[in-house]
Amino acid sequence: QVTLKESGPALVKPTQTLTLTCTLSGFSLSTSGERMSWIRQPPGKALEWLARIDWNEDKFYNTSLKTRLTISKDTSGNQVVLTLTNMDPVDTATYYCVRIRPTYYYMDVWGKGITVTVSS
Amino acid sequence: DIVMTQSPDSLAVSLGERATINCKSSQSVLYSPDNKSYLAWYQQKPRQPPKLLIYWASTREAGVPDRFSGSGSGTDFTFTISSLQAEDVALYYCQQYYRPPYNFGQGTKLEIK
Repeated sequence: QVTLKESGPALVKPTQTLTLTCTLSGFSLSTSGERMSWIRQPPGKALEWLARIDWNEDKFYNTSLKTRLTISKDTSGNQVVLTLTNMDPVDTATYYCVRIRPTYYYMDVWGKGITVTVSS
Repeated sequence: DIVMTQSPDSLAVSLGERATINCKSSQSVLYSPDNKSYLAWYQQKPRQPPKLLIYWASTREAGVPDRFSGSGSGTDFTFTISSLQAEDVALYYCQQYYRPPYNFGQGTKLEIK
């Protein structure tokens, strides 16, 4: 069974760097064809796609956030990490880790999400 | 970037009636080699992550009731609930996965009339 679990701080201060970790279960990002994304949702607002990383380390980013975002994976392929620099209150959101169905590219399995608040 | 626009922003439908949501992409999301439109629909209930309902514009995910359907190709898509049930009250989003960034529509809030 494929499951995803996000972890990280619930509160960060403005200008700090946010680091979120997604722990994968039931599959590995080291397996050919596997891809993962991060998506966020500010309170009461729409979903916003942030980044994608592939098994072969290809990476793609949200156009407006790409200078602040980094997505990476650990060597075992069991964790995906998202960093977002220079945090601002507008970055307050629930951040979701999402699996992309191999070969097909649609997002089929979502983590429960982690709520991050940016406040001094 | 491909911009996704949904309409309406909100919708109130009586139980048992049909609900229809539209989604338009600023560029075609039809991939000619496989003739598939890379368009998905998600349902999000309060305090839950989104749930995949439809992919390839019209293919239901396993376990999704057949009252949910999707249609369209290229740039214009429709999501339909044929007979609204109380448990269908939710936000609905379309998303293109043709090319990164995989943008979502702004969402449609579906309520009971």
